[in-house]
Amino acid sequence: QKEVEQDPGPLSVPEGAIVSLNCTYSNSAFQYFMWYRQYSRKGPELLMYTYSSGNKEDGRFTAQVDKSSKYISLFIRDSQPSDSATYLCAFSTQKLVFGQGTRLTINP
Amino acid sequence: SQTIHQWPATLVQPVGSPLSLECTVEGTSNPNLYWYRQAAGRGLQLLFYSVGIGQISSEVPQNLSASRPQDRQFILSSKKLLLSDSGFYLCAWSAQAVPNSPLHFGNGTRLTVT
Repeated sequence: QKEVEQDPGPLSVPEGAIVSLNCTYSNSAFQYFMWYRQYSRKGPELLMYTYSSGNKEDGRFTAQVDKSSKYISLFIRDSQPSDSATYLCAFSTQKLVFGQGTRLTINP
Repeated sequence: SQTIHQWPATLVQPVGSPLSLECTVEGTSNPNLYWYRQAAGRGLQLLFYSVGIGQISSEVPQNLSASRPQDRQFILSSKKLLLSDSGFYLCAWSAQAVPNSPLHFGNGTRLTVT
């Protein structure tokens, strides 16, 4: 079983839609949970960082962590074309483990 | 605020030529520094990390090496490039004083070995 599973997509949705991006993990030792956004030909940019189960909101973005189910999600409300990017989940204990990334396209 | 600079942005090199990629961090002291390679469909692969000057840990055996000659400078090198060294190379830093602090990435170097 892979340590982290992330649907690679691609995912294409119309502008204004709610987007849900998901990752599952198998390592119970993971304590910190992150989402990165990566635009084409750029480095990943930290979007969300959390360490507890529950929801964390930042503008149009909400990160959800369910430690009991080993499942994290990133929700994007009122999606914009500028949200088109690859989104990577990441998990940390003593080292950082990344998902493969989900490529998202928001169509105007 | 902290910033990370990585150059060059793109590089085309022939097989067998040497390589030197440089990364510098500003606005923080004693950071952890990292080199990653990102290949299409294969995610981010950690190549090297450093917790201090001259302290380098290698994650995978390969044709590359890393050095940290100054606190906020990290260099990725190769004596002779292989075709398989092509890829997108990313430098990153994290705050050493904060356990499990997130990584912050530079904008990468796209290396093509021909």
